[in-house]
Amino acid sequence: KNEVEQSPQNLTAQEGEFITINCSYSVGISALHWLQQHPGGGIVSLFMLSSGKKKHGRLIATINIQEKHSSLHITASHPRDSAVYICAVRFGNFGNEKLTFGTGTRLTIIP
Amino acid sequence: DAGVIQSPRHEVTEMGQEVTLRCKPISGHDYLFWYRQTMMRGLELLIYFNNNVPIDDSGMPEDRFSAKMPNASFSTLKIQPSEPRDSAVYFCASSPKGRTGVRYGYTFGSGTRLTVV
Repeated sequence: KNEVEQSPQNLTAQEGEFITINCSYSVGISALHWLQQHPGGGIVSLFMLSSGKKKHGRLIATINIQEKHSSLHITASHPRDSAVYICAVRFGNFGNEKLTFGTGTRLTIIP
Repeated sequence: DAGVIQSPRHEVTEMGQEVTLRCKPISGHDYLFWYRQTMMRGLELLIYFNNNVPIDDSGMPEDRFSAKMPNASFSTLKIQPSEPRDSAVYFCASSPKGRTGVRYGYTFGSGTRLTVV
């Protein structure tokens, strides 16, 4: 069964802390996406990964294909990072565009 | 670019009524996706199009749901008749194909919050 699991479900941290959110999936994938959903409901695509590591500002995403695991890191966290972070994967080979979503991690950064 | 535009932002309708949600993707994006988000089930893909052609509609819950993309700049998701369990936020997203053929990230619309009473 194609499944995506995220942890933790909820995370509260102090401003400035280093944040890690984890995503595990059950079978081979062609790509993994990290999405951010703001408190107002809008969804922003942060990263698309098929291997290795990507960095954008204070955000870093890594993926380990052998272990079927990805992490999203936030350095020097800020209250504006408070959002729900969602992992989504495309199972199978390239050509399958269907995303399967994790349940999300609700991140709250306290000033 | 104004991004992916969805309308309406909010829709409240009575059970049994027809509901039509609209989406204008980003110009030049060849893929369009309709997603539904509920508290119970999270985000789910309903259907996606490539170059206006429906490719995978396996996520469409039942025959009451239909989606069309008559041209590259417009898509609709229709529910007829609507039921209270259809209440959710419906997102449209579009995505381009890169030069190497590898899919880039998605741009999501702001969503339509549908309430069926």
